[in-house]
Amino acid sequence: EDQVTQSPEALRLQEGESSSLNCSYTVSGLRGLFWYRQDPGKGPEFLFTLYSAGEEKEKERLKATLTKKESFLHITAPKPEDSATYLCAGGPGGSYIPTFGRGTSLIVHP
Amino acid sequence: NAGVTQTPKFQVLKTGQSMTLQCAQDMNHNSMYWYRQDPGMGLRLIYYSASEGTTDKGEVPNGYNVSRLNKREFSLRLESAAPSQTSVYFCASMLGLAGETQYFGPGTRLLVL
Repeated sequence: EDQVTQSPEALRLQEGESSSLNCSYTVSGLRGLFWYRQDPGKGPEFLFTLYSAGEEKEKERLKATLTKKESFLHITAPKPEDSATYLCAGGPGGSYIPTFGRGTSLIVHP
Repeated sequence: NAGVTQTPKFQVLKTGQSMTLQCAQDMNHNSMYWYRQDPGMGLRLIYYSASEGTTDKGEVPNGYNVSRLNKREFSLRLESAAPSQTSVYFCASMLGLAGETQYFGPGTRLLVL
């Protein structure tokens, strides 16, 4: 059974305090590993897709990396506006159904 | 492009009432999805439609029905609402197989009393 596990469930940071969110996955024939950002009361918003181990993608203060078992979302010098829930999902090969993790709730204090 | 749109944004129902949640996408995507999101439970798939004319059950289909009206529209119907169906409902669409990116609507917040 495909599984995606995110840790920690919640993370509180001070503004400027860098950290990483973890996404461990067991997804058969992974075709893509996705990161989304979800603000309260809104739908998930796409951030990154990673397709192969070793791949990295960056957007402003966020950098996503992928290994054969895990993905990390590194947040460098976060700001309060980075506060959100971050979701990770794996796309199994030959399937129409991505497997989502339960998310990491990030709060960045000023 | 509007992306994925959902109506209504918020709805209050009494137990036993019925309603239909509407979803439309303008990205020419083949696959469409209905999820519910509850605190601590993450996103759970209710139903999906891999292509126009097909629908399949997801993880939590009981109490729901769906219709893929055409390539753009995918509706979710609650025939007899129950308090356990109080949730936030998200529609999503994707070009094709799960190696593609899913795009989500803004959500419908449903309260069943």
